[in-house]
Amino acid sequence: LAKTTQPISMDSYEGQEVNITCSHNNIATNDYITWYQQFPSQGPRFIIQGYKTKVTNEVASLFIPADRKSSTLSLPRVSLSDTAVYYCLAPRIRSGGGADGLTFGKGTHLIIQP
Amino acid sequence: GAVVSQHPSWVICKSGTSVKIECRSLDFQATTMFWYRQFPKQSLMLMATSNEGSKATYEQGVEKDKFLINHASLTLSTLTVTSAHPEDSSFYICSARDFGLASGIYNEQFFGPGTRLTVL
Repeated sequence: LAKTTQPISMDSYEGQEVNITCSHNNIATNDYITWYQQFPSQGPRFIIQGYKTKVTNEVASLFIPADRKSSTLSLPRVSLSDTAVYYCLAPRIRSGGGADGLTFGKGTHLIIQP
Repeated sequence: GAVVSQHPSWVICKSGTSVKIECRSLDFQATTMFWYRQFPKQSLMLMATSNEGSKATYEQGVEKDKFLINHASLTLSTLTVTSAHPEDSSFYICSARDFGLASGIYNEQFFGPGTRLTVL
């Protein structure tokens, strides 16, 4: 499975755009890039997933360059409630369907200040 | 999105006792559920894959006789920590995938709120 590397922590302020970059140099053709968010003492929550180029949903954007060796999660106009740990994952497509457990790295602890 | 619940949300027990944690998919059927463990300030670690009607698959290093998993129905998986010791104190989280949800997202997992286990 692709190993992902992200900054341990980041700080920002309310109203700012936050970009968290994840490195996945050994990503394989069948790997998708997926981000989860986790608040203290809660289970993770899916944020966004992409394969290449740009994906946008109601909470975030995900930028993936052509070589797919890295990706950037972009959170527009963050608020205090965005303080959480953000995990970058690269789950692999399994032929024939089914599902596999997820491999979480250390994640990025994002702290938003007033 | 699909909802996964866990019960209890926290439990304190004495060393040597067994503790059962339930994971339920509330509005969908889950043939496969996953159990994770998370120690303070650390990441989630996959413990096992729970399959409805068959034996669970454990990750390397996880003792199957200590962490008993039963997936007796399409909406319920249970994790029993047998003869719990203080080192088993952790945050246990389950997840499931809703195969009936045509979201176009590969392997999207819905996580429960977690169960905090403290062994005295």
